[in-house]
Amino acid sequence: DAGVIQSPRHEVTEMGQEVTLRCKPISGHNSLFWYRQTMMRGLELLIYFNNNVPIDDSGMPEDRFSAKMPNASFSTLKIQPSEPRDSAVYFCASSLDGSGNTGELFFGEGSRLTVL
Amino acid sequence: GENVEQHPSTLSVQEGDSAVIKCTYSDSASNYFPWYKQELGKRPQLIIDIRSNVGEKKDQRIAVTLNKTAKHFSLHITETQPEDSAVYFCAAIYYNQGGKLIFGQGTELSVKP
Repeated sequence: DAGVIQSPRHEVTEMGQEVTLRCKPISGHNSLFWYRQTMMRGLELLIYFNNNVPIDDSGMPEDRFSAKMPNASFSTLKIQPSEPRDSAVYFCASSLDGSGNTGELFFGEGSRLTVL
Repeated sequence: GENVEQHPSTLSVQEGDSAVIKCTYSDSASNYFPWYKQELGKRPQLIIDIRSNVGEKKDQRIAVTLNKTAKHFSLHITETQPEDSAVYFCAAIYYNQGGKLIFGQGTELSVKP
């Protein structure tokens, strides 16, 4: 398996624009996580899905952020409208386990977002 | 609240010395504690984990200890090498709404040759 695949790897956009980040989890994994990493706040869990269903989105910073998982092999994280403070590296991760997370998280390479 | 406290935030050691990173958590129901290593510009990767049914686990030069009573766990790296230089994250699972992994703030380890 190629691992967790994220796109784009780098995105530079202007404030107010819509940003869509994409993730393909490892085949057979049934949990998917979106994390945001910044120097100030470290690795923050934004939302996670189990069997394509959002389980906990309490980490989503505000209504400008939304995430979907239409099927087991694809998820998106959307920011609309984007703001400079959204600049960060966004990681997608997947794991094999069922409800609860007691298995290894496999991270994608991350999407580095810069909002000017 | 859901948080994992990690100390120190930076750690500098000489090659060959030991390094210790400590974490505390608040959810007494937590039973899984992984450690991830993130090299500069790379993704975090699991290096070792421990479950609450054991107090210590070792894998070559790295070991993790767990004290469930005190709600703290530690990473120990012996005979450090320059390639150990990275940011290390501890994490604990929180069982609010099905369980989720919460990470500490990270420790930047620098091993000087």
